[in-house]
Amino acid sequence: DTEVTQTPKHLVMGMTNKKSLKCEQHMGHRAMYWYKQKAKKPPELMFVYSYEKLSINESVPSRFSPECPNSSLLNLHLHALQPEDSALYLCASSPLPPSGRVGRYNEQFFGPGTRLTVL
Amino acid sequence: AQTVTQSQPEMSVQEAETVTLSCTYDTSESNYYLFWYKQPPSRQMILVIRQEAYKQQNATENRFSVNFQKAAKSFSLKISDSQLGDTAMYFCALTGANSKLTFGKGITLSVRP
Repeated sequence: DTEVTQTPKHLVMGMTNKKSLKCEQHMGHRAMYWYKQKAKKPPELMFVYSYEKLSINESVPSRFSPECPNSSLLNLHLHALQPEDSALYLCASSPLPPSGRVGRYNEQFFGPGTRLTVL
Repeated sequence: AQTVTQSQPEMSVQEAETVTLSCTYDTSESNYYLFWYKQPPSRQMILVIRQEAYKQQNATENRFSVNFQKAAKSFSLKISDSQLGDTAMYFCALTGANSKLTFGKGITLSVRP
């Protein structure tokens, strides 16, 4: 299995709802990432998990809550979102986490994304 | 800090012709990777080609090749024999020791039949 999967593909939620996005990889990768992408813009990094521990939080509002239950699974819990949070949410994984060295093991593989609409 | 600049927002090419997408970057690191990612309307981010900074030989993947000019900090992508399926947004990206991907703003490429 050489892919990153994300569910659901599309999600519509109200500002008072609680929902979760799921990302899964079975490549044995030990780093997983969440990105937010607005239309016609590059992805923006939100969180990085290294060996199932949160290693980078790019000052993301607390209404986004990441969770890494095991090395294959990454969740993003959503609560009290705003309409401006509507975007494509991309998950990625890499063989190894950031280590201060550069190599193919840092290369990131992306999932297909979840298109989120907040009403 | 790392920066990646893609100054052309849009390009158009006739099917079967060749097109070159430009990218310049800046980094203080001596070792880094450069990438071109393709994002079609389906919005799946697909890695097109990678270049390791310490390798002088330009990377090639089938119809895709790069012109890597390290001294000029330039990393352009050439697409030969353009196909309709090449229509997409293309992002140039850079990663260094912190493994964070720095993306350019992207360029929208349209292939005309």
